[in-house]
Amino acid sequence: EPEVTQTPSHQVTQMGQEVILRCVPISNHLYFYWYRQILGQKVEFLVSFYNNEISEKSEIFDDQFSVERPDGSNFTLKIRSTKLEDSAMYFCASSEVGGSLRNEQFFGPGTRLTVL
Amino acid sequence: QQPVQSPQAVILREGEDAVINCSSSKALYSVHWYRQKHGEAPVFLMILLKGGEQKGHEKISASFNEKKQQSSLYLTASQLSYSGTYFCGPPKNQAGTALIFGKGTTLSVSS
Repeated sequence: EPEVTQTPSHQVTQMGQEVILRCVPISNHLYFYWYRQILGQKVEFLVSFYNNEISEKSEIFDDQFSVERPDGSNFTLKIRSTKLEDSAMYFCASSEVGGSLRNEQFFGPGTRLTVL
Repeated sequence: QQPVQSPQAVILREGEDAVINCSSSKALYSVHWYRQKHGEAPVFLMILLKGGEQKGHEKISASFNEKKQQSSLYLTASQLSYSGTYFCGPPKNQAGTALIFGKGTTLSVSS
């Protein structure tokens, strides 16, 4: 069964450093998402991406964050100048079509980011 | 604004039933349900749509009351594999892409 994959599974970085989290969405999916989950808390939407553009973003997704689809298969989340509070599990998701009203999103296994 | 889930936690023995509720102060256009096991990604369970249409693939049922802005997930004859945290995630709005998740309900099923 097709699945979303993410690398690395765990990333440790020093405060102030830049990190890039990578995702390979399901191959025929057109919409891509990033969510994060701080330990023990709920899953929070960060951004959605379609046709090489951001479709929607949350208040969390400020200038520190950026997303990119550098080639036909990868989808990346870049976090510049990481802060302690960026420590969280970051989930990539994808969906075949857009519109969260009717369409399920498939989540990857996540990247645990630890900022020291 | 995030939906409110209740209860926060449920402890069951195998074979027992449970109901997990999700309510919103805003209009609900649909409701997604996900289950997350410890240390794993959320797994899609089902979507409930206005008019009663339901999309899902597990032996778990749910209801959606648009007028009351509520959804309930029914876990019948629970199995050990049902253990995990259940999140409801209504869309942020009718036309968008974001899901806004509740804080989750942790279900523990023991033998």
